[in-house]
Amino acid sequence: GENVEQHPSTLSVQEGDSAVIKCTYSDSASNYFPWYKQELGKRPQLIIDIRSNVGEKKDQRIAVTLNKTAKHFSLHITETQPEDSAVYFCAAIEAGGTSYGKLTFGQGTILTVHP
Amino acid sequence: DGGITQSPKYLFRKEGQNVTLSCEQNLNHDAMYWYRQDPGQGLRLIYYSQIVNDFQKGDIAEGYSVSREKKESFPLTVTSAQKNPTAFYLCASSIDLGEKLFFGSGTQLSVL
Repeated sequence: GENVEQHPSTLSVQEGDSAVIKCTYSDSASNYFPWYKQELGKRPQLIIDIRSNVGEKKDQRIAVTLNKTAKHFSLHITETQPEDSAVYFCAAIEAGGTSYGKLTFGQGTILTVHP
Repeated sequence: DGGITQSPKYLFRKEGQNVTLSCEQNLNHDAMYWYRQDPGQGLRLIYYSQIVNDFQKGDIAEGYSVSREKKESFPLTVTSAQKNPTAFYLCASSIDLGEKLFFGSGTQLSVL
């Protein structure tokens, strides 16, 4: 099955700095990689996703890059703001076999943006 | 709660007791999921269902059971066989399997 590793587990930055969170996956057939943000006491929400036929995707201050050869993908947040403080989860989908469509999450990164 | 409702918000289980967590959605989504969230361990998949009357085990299905008799509902039963049930349980749904999940607000289960 799919195994997703996420680093770092905690990340502290100053407001205005950039933040990068990295994930690796094990199943080379995986073809969909979403990122979810969970603010304290709230439900996880999808913030950006990327498919395996694309190397990079941007949405305002957020971008995701994918390296299929190395089997890793990263979330980049530029010009961080205090409201970006949250737990961020990466995930990868299994693309074949009996577990088709199963979404496996990384362990999460606690991002703190200091004003 | 934006189309997917979990109840109750807090639940307490006694030793040897089965408890059922409710999840209802009115988003007309075919796929539904149950995840367990423990500190530092991310979201771990318990069960998922692509369509009515069909469901698959996730990574940590032991001690849990589900049913999918209606498109809108995907209840999770935590049985007495689950020896460490204390956790935050999240239900989710989506149009396409595994993509763009919409989560409920969760149920915190604790053991008395």
